[in-house]
Amino acid sequence: DIQMTQSPSSLSAFVGDRVTLTCRASQGIRNDLGWFQQKPGKAPRRLIYAASSLQSGVPSRFRGSGSGTEFTLTISSLQPEDFATYYCLQHNSYPYTFGQGTKLEIK
Amino acid sequence: EVQLVESGGGLVKPGRSLKLSCTGSGFTFGDYVMSWFRQAPGKGLEWVGFISSKAYGGTTEYAASVKGRFTISRDDSERIAYLQMNSLKTEDTGVYFCTRVDYDFWSAYYGPDAFDIWGQGTLVTVSS
Repeated sequence: DIQMTQSPSSLSAFVGDRVTLTCRASQGIRNDLGWFQQKPGKAPRRLIYAASSLQSGVPSRFRGSGSGTEFTLTISSLQPEDFATYYCLQHNSYPYTFGQGTKLEIK
Repeated sequence: EVQLVESGGGLVKPGRSLKLSCTGSGFTFGDYVMSWFRQAPGKGLEWVGFISSKAYGGTTEYAASVKGRFTISRDDSERIAYLQMNSLKTEDTGVYFCTRVDYDFWSAYYGPDAFDIWGQGTLVTVSS
């Protein structure tokens, strides 16, 4: 199975900060990676697909990059509605696997 | 509007069965792989399995934790994907989500709709 190591596991930041979340795959996964935002009691919301393509309707402050084994999600200027948990998902091979999540909290 | 709606969750005793449904609307349901995920209370997300479109033979794949106990099927005429869960365990407790995936098995290419739409989830509680 491909292991996805997501870091940090939690992060406190101010509104307006720039933050970068990282996912590392235990083996190469091309660009078969998505980033998801989840708020308590809600379904995951896809932000980024194919590692770097922005989902329609998602603000441009979200940016995904990477290929192979190293991926990042950058939020350029945090807004109050961005405080949530973020997951990466690899779908290069079965079983599909998620990172353990990054909980982004307001400082 | 493109939408997925899960239903069928509830409280069930260990060892019993439950069948979940995922109903799609606003898109050509039969063209998509349908995948199930779950989330235990306070935990992260876990892939459960998927069923391919009929064009690719309705092939299924499952996570090791559910293989042999869970079965995914589909009825494209009703636009429903099912998750039949047998021999349920307490560790199967969680919210179950479905999502669509556009995937070409021949070229191993994922399209832009892969995992874009999720249902609201349905809660399954396995407890005596």
